[in-house]
Order: sequence, then structure tokens, then C-alpha cells
Amino acid sequence: EPEVTQTPSHQVTQMGQEVILRCVPISNHLYFYWYRQILGQKVEFLVSFYNNEISEKSEIFDDQFSVERPDGSNFTLKIRSTKLEDSAMYFCASSVFVLTDPQPQHFGDGTRLSIL
Amino acid sequence: KNEVEQSPQNLTAQEGEFITINCSYSVGISALHWLQQHPGGGIVSLFMLSSGKKKHGRLIATINIQEKHSSLHITASHPRDSAVYICAVSRLWAQKLVFGQGTRLTINP
Repeated sequence: EPEVTQTPSHQVTQMGQEVILRCVPISNHLYFYWYRQILGQKVEFLVSFYNNEISEKSEIFDDQFSVERPDGSNFTLKIRSTKLEDSAMYFCASSVFVLTDPQPQHFGDGTRLSIL
Repeated sequence: KNEVEQSPQNLTAQEGEFITINCSYSVGISALHWLQQHPGGGIVSLFMLSSGKKKHGRLIATINIQEKHSSLHITASHPRDSAVYICAVSRLWAQKLVFGQGTRLTINP
């Protein structure tokens, strides 16, 4: 069965550095998402992406964050000038797009980001 | 107030018991999702439903749209069912998921 793959599985970074989290969505999916889960808390939506642009973003997704689909397969989340509170598990997800119907989302295994 | 509430937060049971996890939501939705989060952190989609009932193996999910409530049932529970079960909703006119806080299920042999 096709899978969403995320790399790296664990990233350790010094505070203030930039990180790029990578995702390869399922190939025929058109809608992409980033979520994050701070340790012990619920999963939170960050951003959704469709047709090469952001379709929705949360209050968390401020100017520190950006997303990109640099080629036909990768979907990246960039965090500039990381802060201690950015430490979390980051999940990428993808889904097919049907205008009128909700669709299941397929999740990657996550990238655990640790900011020191 | 959270848009999606789950109960219980933690549940411990013996192998073979019938398990019920509940989810209530307070917003208009287009669908409700049940997800399983493994101890390593990965998330797997179990069900997406907008009405009625769905069954997959020993798992059953039901939803009552009028009462804004859903349940996930596990029959003949097994230690390998131990995981965090998460309820999430797709809001009307939006694709993003809004998550509950999860229910940590432990099945003892």
C-alpha cells in the first residue's frame, strides 16, 4: 500500500537554526498537510497546501514557517530561527481531493524535532 | 472549550474485553475520523464516517449526527490493540482535521 514518507525521523537542532522537514506524499494525492504534536498534547493543524499554494493555515503557522513543493514529489516544511517551543513531532499527511466530499488523510510516521 | 472531546482519557482492560471509546464534538462537521497512534508515534487512519456505522475486523465505529457523538468499539480486545486512539473531525468547508486529545488504551494479557 502506498505510504507517506518523512525524513528525517529525528532532527536535533540548536536554537536559532533553520530546519527543513521533508515529506513525500502519496503520488496521486493532491492535498497536503502539516500537523504537529507537542509531547503530551493533542495533534494540531499547521497548514494545508493545494495546487501549489497554501489553502489554509493556523495561528501557529506564522512568518517563522514556510512550506514548499520544490518538485513533483517532495513537500517541505521550513522553520526559520527555531525556538525551544518548536520541539514537537511533526506529521505530514496527504489526501486525494474531491471538491464536495471529505477524504481520509494518510499520515507519515513523523519527524521528532528536538531544539536544544 | 475544545471542539472535540474524548472519554475516557485512559483505559486499561483485560484481554478479551469489549472496549468503547467516546467522542463528542461541538461544531458542524463533514466527517469524523478515528485514528490510531502507535507507541512509536506514527498515526494510522482507521475510519472516516459521516453517518451510521462502519466495521473493519474487530473494530466498529458509529456516529450520531444529531447528538454530535461517535463511539469506537473494539471486540475481543488483544494486547496488540494497545495504542492511543484519536478522534478528529473535518469541519464543514475545510479539509483540515481538528483533533481530540486521544484515549490511551492498554490491554493486559
